[in-house]
Amino acid sequence: AQKITQTQPGMFVQEKEAVTLDCTYDTSDQSYGLFWYKQPSSGEMIFLIYQGSYDEQNATEGRYSLNFQKARKSANLVISASQLGDSAMYFCAMREPPKANAGGTSYGKLTFGQGTILTVHP
Amino acid sequence: EPEVTQTPSHQVTQMGQEVILRCVPISNHLYFYWYRQILGQKVEFLVSFYNNEISEKSEIFDDQFSVERPDGSNFTLKIRSTKLEDSAMYFCASRGPGSGGSYEQYFGPGTRLTVT
Repeated sequence: AQKITQTQPGMFVQEKEAVTLDCTYDTSDQSYGLFWYKQPSSGEMIFLIYQGSYDEQNATEGRYSLNFQKARKSANLVISASQLGDSAMYFCAMREPPKANAGGTSYGKLTFGQGTILTVHP
Repeated sequence: EPEVTQTPSHQVTQMGQEVILRCVPISNHLYFYWYRQILGQKVEFLVSFYNNEISEKSEIFDDQFSVERPDGSNFTLKIRSTKLEDSAMYFCASRGPGSGGSYEQYFGPGTRLTVT
């Protein structure tokens, strides 16, 4: 079974500084995907960045980058130049590949970590 | 930009009542999901739906729950005989046949269900 662990319940960062949110995972699959989502206080889930298990380069999306260390099974999110609007809950998630199981075929459900609350101070 | 929509945004119901949460996935998407997030906790997978049938369901998704795609656009989650512990945010998500390599799931804004 897949498992995602986010060990930081809360993180604080000064505006304009960089911050790293940790995520480790455990899976027996060779092919998988790692996602980060942002959940502001309004509750919606906003996709930030994706890393495929076979991608050799770390993913980047604007101020977001994913520090992917496959051997360590970690997929940390780095936010550069933090802004006040970055204050939110951040979830790491893993997608397993499509596969047959006892109940049918799994089509890439996401397994989420517990989340990290990021607070950006002015 | 196409988006997943959910209605209502907030539903209050009494214990034992039935509720139907509605979702309109992105129009060309083929895979549909429901997730649940109890307040302050992580997001949990409930069920996935493809080709007009459930493809996978979690232990949470027992006989109290059902899903349906009644008209080719809506995707509904029905909860029969609601319990206090069903109070949560319910997210619908959809993804296309192959969004590049990411198979990104697009989430709706959620329906907050409160059972009293």
